[in-house]
Amino acid sequence: DTGVSQDPRHKITKRGQNVTFRCDPISEHNRLYWYRQTLGQGPEFLTYFQNEAQLEKSRLLSDRFSAERPKGSFSTLEIQRTEQGDSAMYLCASRLTGTGGLEQFFGPGTRLTVL
Amino acid sequence: GQQLNQSPQSMFIQEGEDVSMNCTSSSIFNTWLWYKQDPGEGPVLLIALYKAGELTSNGRLTAQFGITRKDSFLNISASIPSDVGIYFCAAPLGGGSQGNLIFGKGTKLSVKP
Repeated sequence: DTGVSQDPRHKITKRGQNVTFRCDPISEHNRLYWYRQTLGQGPEFLTYFQNEAQLEKSRLLSDRFSAERPKGSFSTLEIQRTEQGDSAMYLCASRLTGTGGLEQFFGPGTRLTVL
Repeated sequence: GQQLNQSPQSMFIQEGEDVSMNCTSSSIFNTWLWYKQDPGEGPVLLIALYKAGELTSNGRLTAQFGITRKDSFLNISASIPSDVGIYFCAAPLGGGSQGNLIFGKGTKLSVKP
């Protein structure tokens, strides 16, 4: 059973450019979460999917951010017109509901640097 | 809003020492999770707690779900160099079952010089 994978691991971009990150959850996991983590902080929730439906978005997710999970498997997170404040580690996590637990399993993250 | 406060913020360990850290909140939670994060990597789940008063072990790690449901504790016995990293507590936002987690700011474990 492979874990959560994220691509790319690192992304350097110039301010104003668009970037897209991909997350492949653990197979059969129906819930997929996106978090953002800045230096010295714990991860902060951005949004989550139940299969292909996006069920909740944090106020942290500005209009420049959009996430999709078109077939209920992998997910993408796009940031348009990047700003320096978007520099952070973007983490994806997945879990299987119906097991009685809330354990989420994280991927290695995508480190975004906006110049 | 809901907030998790971790203590201490950082600590130095010498191989063989026992380590204790805690996580407190003014809110009540039904679940506590403990994660460890190495530099440049995602958090790795260590222990999950679901019942007040519960004590759960994972090797040299032991975590407890506080009786008040407002706190949790993590102990590491006989620490080894690979225990170095940042330890986060987490709990479900709003206490709900959606699973969106809030995290503390972490306790950073480093090796004593």
